[in-house]
Amino acid sequence: AQTVTQSQPEMSVQEAETVTLSCTYDTSESDYYLFWYKQPPSRQMILVIRQEAYKQQNATENRFSVNFQKAAKSFSLKISDSQLGDAAMYFCAYRMLQGGSRLTFGEGTQLTVNP
Amino acid sequence: EADIYQTPRYLVIGTGKKITLECSQTMGHDKMYWYQQDPGMELHLIHYSYGVNSTEKGDLSSESTVSRIRTEHFPLTLESARPSHTSQYLCASGRLTEAFFGQGTRLTVV
Repeated sequence: AQTVTQSQPEMSVQEAETVTLSCTYDTSESDYYLFWYKQPPSRQMILVIRQEAYKQQNATENRFSVNFQKAAKSFSLKISDSQLGDAAMYFCAYRMLQGGSRLTFGEGTQLTVNP
Repeated sequence: EADIYQTPRYLVIGTGKKITLECSQTMGHDKMYWYQQDPGMELHLIHYSYGVNSTEKGDLSSESTVSRIRTEHFPLTLESARPSHTSQYLCASGRLTEAFFGQGTRLTVV
């Protein structure tokens, strides 16, 4: 079974600084997707960034980028120039390429952005 | 903004009542999901559907049931609510590359 682990329950960062959120996962599959979702206090989950496992290049989306280490099964999220609006719960998630596309989530990391 | 809607947003109900949480999407997605989010914020898949008349139980055992009579509609029902059912319930639909989530229903059973 696939598992996703986020070892940092809480993180904090100063506004305009950079923060990295960690995620590791376990799978026997070679092809899959990895995601970072953001859940602000309004509670609606929003996709932040997506990485296809078959792509070696790390995904980037504006101030958000990932460090995808397939061999180490690591998928960290870097937020540059942090903004107050980045404060939220961040979830790492895994999805197999085959077999129904169910998302498996990590435990979440609560990010606080300090002004 | 995703076209997936959950109602009600908040519900407080007494023990033993039957409740249905509604979830609808207008994106034509075949795949839909229900997640339960506990107070520690971790999400657990409780039900999913790959299309009309297809429903499966998820990773976390749940006393709730679901139905999928129409593509756009995936309601979740609790026949007899208990305080242990108090939680946040998130509905999602999607494709392989992205899942879209509703705003959730915060259920409190007293």
